[in-house]
Amino acid sequence: GAVVSQHPSRVICKSGTSVKIECRSLDFQATTMFWYRQFPKQSLMLMATSNEGSKATYEQGVEKDKFLINHASLTLSTLTVTSAHPEDSSFYICSARAPGREAYEQYFGPGTRLTVT
Amino acid sequence: AQSVTQLDSHVSVSEGTPVLLRCNYSSSYSPSLFWYVQHPNKGLQLLLKYTSAATLVKGINGFEAEFKKSETSFHLTKPSAHMSDAAEYFCVVAGGTSYGKLTFGQGTILTVHP
Repeated sequence: GAVVSQHPSRVICKSGTSVKIECRSLDFQATTMFWYRQFPKQSLMLMATSNEGSKATYEQGVEKDKFLINHASLTLSTLTVTSAHPEDSSFYICSARAPGREAYEQYFGPGTRLTVT
Repeated sequence: AQSVTQLDSHVSVSEGTPVLLRCNYSSSYSPSLFWYVQHPNKGLQLLLKYTSAATLVKGINGFEAEFKKSETSFHLTKPSAHMSDAAEYFCVVAGGTSYGKLTFGQGTILTVHP
């Protein structure tokens, strides 16, 4: 149980375009979802926390107008990278937390590799 | 503020020999500590967690870790490496004012030779 999927697994887009990444909890309802970014040879960095039905909370230094997060249902959160640039190329990972579980208990998706050309 | 440092970016062992992946943490609060493993094209998987109970924590696949407050360490060990253990391992700390926020170490890539 507690499976989180991401789609797509890889995406290549041109500079200036927007790309949407989906994160789904397949067998549980996720009241909270998290988005992380991982640059090559670096650690995962939390970008934002989203709660179903409310606005996402962004970490310091993350542009909320560039990285749009929508958590419209208890099983789906989306991250849209708007006007992507090559420096946005990274590995994006989502995680989800089930209701009633400890705050730190997160289930991770397999990640999405974004390449901006 | 909290942080975690993994002391080795790469560790290479032979199959059947012990594994030691080192992690030091810094936290202003009583931390919760975790080890996650990431296999290629798979999501991060929780290996084990420390949440202020027993200082020696046993996890899945024969891994264990010991919380040493005096040394601010949470090293991951396994008595005998298996080929399937080859992956990237992350030490993670949680707690403090950002409740539920996970802070990741830089990761350690474990290579297991036959």
